[in-house]
Amino acid sequence: QQPVQSPQAVILREGEDAVINCSSSKALYSVHWYRQKHGEAPVFLMILLKGGEQKGHEKISASFNEKKQQSSLYLTASQLSYSGTYFCGTESGYSTLTFGKGTMLLVSP
Amino acid sequence: DADVTQTPRNRITKTGKRIMLECSQTKGHDRMYWYRQDPGLGLRLIYYSFDVKDINKGEISDGYSVSRQAQAKFSLSLESAIPNQTALYFCATSDFEPGQGSSGELFFGEGSRLTVL
Repeated sequence: QQPVQSPQAVILREGEDAVINCSSSKALYSVHWYRQKHGEAPVFLMILLKGGEQKGHEKISASFNEKKQQSSLYLTASQLSYSGTYFCGTESGYSTLTFGKGTMLLVSP
Repeated sequence: DADVTQTPRNRITKTGKRIMLECSQTKGHDRMYWYRQDPGLGLRLIYYSFDVKDINKGEISDGYSVSRQAQAKFSLSLESAIPNQTALYFCATSDFEPGQGSSGELFFGEGSRLTVL
């Protein structure tokens, strides 16, 4: 079952902040975040593991609430380059990811 | 050159034709995956392989088959293509390491856009 992402779309001006949420109905081992620009492949941003460990880009921050099976991606002081579609991928077993439907982010000047 | 290479990048075919999408990687990863992307639906897993002798169905495997010819090569076949298989297909690899608590970062190919008329 796909995790649920919210919001579906966000429009920001450069410099503004945004939060993208990801929620699963299953117990999770990890949550992954990817960004996809139009016409390109998804690119890895971050992995959040049970127990609090995080791996990923220094300028991206995220949280993982294991008890609620929820994760949030925090985009601060947004730049034009942040535009794209953000996907969370949840891992609840079998070492494969189930992706959400995506959140489209548009940052305007 | 890309670490994960998919061929063809674009393909238009007709209903009932057999199609093969190929994926090769130079990253040395054991784990390989095929995902399908449709607008508004995200990425859905078709098949995955954790080594040459291991093939597993994903959430939407009906109508598809795969072959893992070598550690570096993982092919996806549509035996008899139908219009609702029109989509963007991504191959991916992951750098899984035992004990790291996760399947590891996914590295995606550039995608193969398939249109079935």
